Amino acid sequence: AQTVTQSQPEMSVQEAETVTLSCTYDTSESDYYLFWYKQPPSRQMILVIRQEAYKQQNATENRFSVNFQKAAKSFSLKISDSQLGDAAMYFCAYQGGGGSNYKLTFGKGTLLTVNP
Amino acid sequence: GAGVSQSPSNKVTEKGKDVELRCDPISGHTALYWYRQSLGQGLEFLIYFQGNSAPDKSGLPSDRFSAERTGGSVSTLTIQRTQQEDSAVYLCASSLEMDNYGYTFGSGTRLTVV
Repeated sequence: AQTVTQSQPEMSVQEAETVTLSCTYDTSESDYYLFWYKQPPSRQMILVIRQEAYKQQNATENRFSVNFQKAAKSFSLKISDSQLGDAAMYFCAYQGGGGSNYKLTFGKGTLLTVNP
Repeated sequence: GAGVSQSPSNKVTEKGKDVELRCDPISGHTALYWYRQSLGQGLEFLIYFQGNSAPDKSGLPSDRFSAERTGGSVSTLTIQRTQQEDSAVYLCASSLEMDNYGYTFGSGTRLTVV
């Protein structure tokens, strides 16, 4: 079974600074997808960024980028120019690539605080 | 609808009572998922519906939990004889079939069993 580990229960960053959230995963599959979700106090999980395992290029969405190290099974999220609105719980998630792999497996999350 | 809608937003119930949680997915999304988020934990898969196929109920924690999806749209998660350990946020999500672009989640129902 796949597992996702987020080793940082809490992180903090100063506004306008850069922060990196860590995620590692365990899988025997070669084809899969990785995601970072943001959960603000409203509770709604919002997709931040997505990475396809077969793509070597790291995904980027505006101020959010990932460092995907497939051999190391590592998938960290970098938030540049942090804003107060980035404060939230961040979850790393894994989805297998086969046609029957519809489940997302989540880590336990990292609570990010942004200090003004 | 424009997003995934869940109701109620919050529910407080007495131990031993039954509760029903509702999820209205995005129109056109054939896949629907229920997850449970307990305090300090990640999201735990409960059940998956896809079209007219038999649902994947492998994540339901006990036979007190059941779910149905009527007409391929609205889903109801029912918890019978609630226990204090059932207290959690129950999140619903929907997606297109075989979608690897991530789910769209609702805002969840916070269930508190007292």
